Amino acid sequence: DSGVTQTPKHLITATGQRVTLRCSPRSGDLSVYWYQQSLDQGLQFLIQYYNGEERAKGNILERFSAQQFPDLHSELNLSSLELGDSALYFCASSVGERAAYEQYFGPGTRLTVT
Amino acid sequence: GENVEQHPSTLSVQEGDSAVIKCTYSDSASNYFPWYKQELGKRPQLIIDIRSNVGEKKDQRIAVTLNKTAKHFSLHITETQPEDSAVYFCAARGSSASKIIFGSGTRLSIRP
Repeated sequence: DSGVTQTPKHLITATGQRVTLRCSPRSGDLSVYWYQQSLDQGLQFLIQYYNGEERAKGNILERFSAQQFPDLHSELNLSSLELGDSALYFCASSVGERAAYEQYFGPGTRLTVT
Repeated sequence: GENVEQHPSTLSVQEGDSAVIKCTYSDSASNYFPWYKQELGKRPQLIIDIRSNVGEKKDQRIAVTLNKTAKHFSLHITETQPEDSAVYFCAARGSSASKIIFGSGTRLSIRP
């Protein structure tokens, strides 16, 4: 157990819908990273927050957005869902602002869009 | 743009033999290179990392080497065991200090 929690574990929804994925970082970690992992694919970096502020962006679609709250938990919002959005979404946390520290991954949320 | 290439995509070795996975990166400013292992259905976990001021790092059966001039780094696993079967990802910290770029992964299978 990494100490990072993600809910829900599984999510099945229809095209065009909107979902929210939730992540709670390890105690003491201020950075939260979001990744998308499609079937048999690598880890695509989406976005990073540090202490409530956006720090880095990857190939995140405009239909996706995220935020980090004062209690440091983070939410990833996915809207106007398409079949291609089906994937495993991981969040990870680390202690520092810079990506030079170990990232602890959560168990992931498996999103299926039908 | 920032890119990390990883080879091979699949690797099968006999138990007890060594496995080598290679990665190249494009951003010469990269200075942190972690390796993650992802077992089937599980989360990625850090197994070893190296910083640009070091050329090699070892941890028991695992070692990583870094060649900054050539912009490539490699993971070496010796005396492979069945539990080494997994997908391995290399990564590099990009020019944006907050961004980690992952390679596409190597699926390592250990034959008994």
